Amino acid sequence: GENVEQHPSTLSVQEGDSAVIKCTYSDSASNYFPWYKQELGKGPQLIIDIRSNVGEKKDQRIAVTLNKTAKHFSLHITETQPEDSAVYFCAPSYGNNRLAFGKGNQVVVIP
Amino acid sequence: DSGVTQTPKHLITATGQRVTLRCSPRSGDLSVYWYQQSLDQGLQFLIHYYNGEERAKGNILERFSAQQFPDLHSELNLSSLELGDSALYFCASSQQGGSGELFFGEGSRLTVL
Repeated sequence: GENVEQHPSTLSVQEGDSAVIKCTYSDSASNYFPWYKQELGKGPQLIIDIRSNVGEKKDQRIAVTLNKTAKHFSLHITETQPEDSAVYFCAPSYGNNRLAFGKGNQVVVIP
Repeated sequence: DSGVTQTPKHLITATGQRVTLRCSPRSGDLSVYWYQQSLDQGLQFLIHYYNGEERAKGNILERFSAQQFPDLHSELNLSSLELGDSALYFCASSQQGGSGELFFGEGSRLTVL
């Protein structure tokens, strides 16, 4: 199966600063790369995704960049706000279009 | 609100018992996925159903089983429960069975004492 690693496991940032979390994966056939956000007491929610024919995608304050050669993709959050505090999961596709979730990154935005 | 409904939200039971978790997918979604979330293992894929048929199995124990009914709701049955089965169980749905957005419910928290 797919091996997925997310680093750092916990990231604390000052409000207004940028946060970057990285996801590495092992399956070179992966072609779909989403990021999910999980707030306390809720289920994960898709915040941004990218497919392998694109290197970067932006949506307001969040962006995802993909490096297929190195087999990693990253989530960038600019101008962080307290509501960005959550656990973020990457979930690259593998096999028969299944998603392999990483163990998550805890992001803490300090007001 | 994702549109996915899971019941019960919380469940406390004893070792050796059997429980059933229920999931109603978003209207029109044919695929239902079950995931287990524990503190040290993240989100573990258990099983995927598409329009009533099992499509893929992940790390699902033999003591666990699932099904998807003609009205597309799904049930996850957990039997001979052990302490280690305590976890959050999430159901997610999607329109198709391929790679695309999954819509997660709020989960069922199972505590085995």
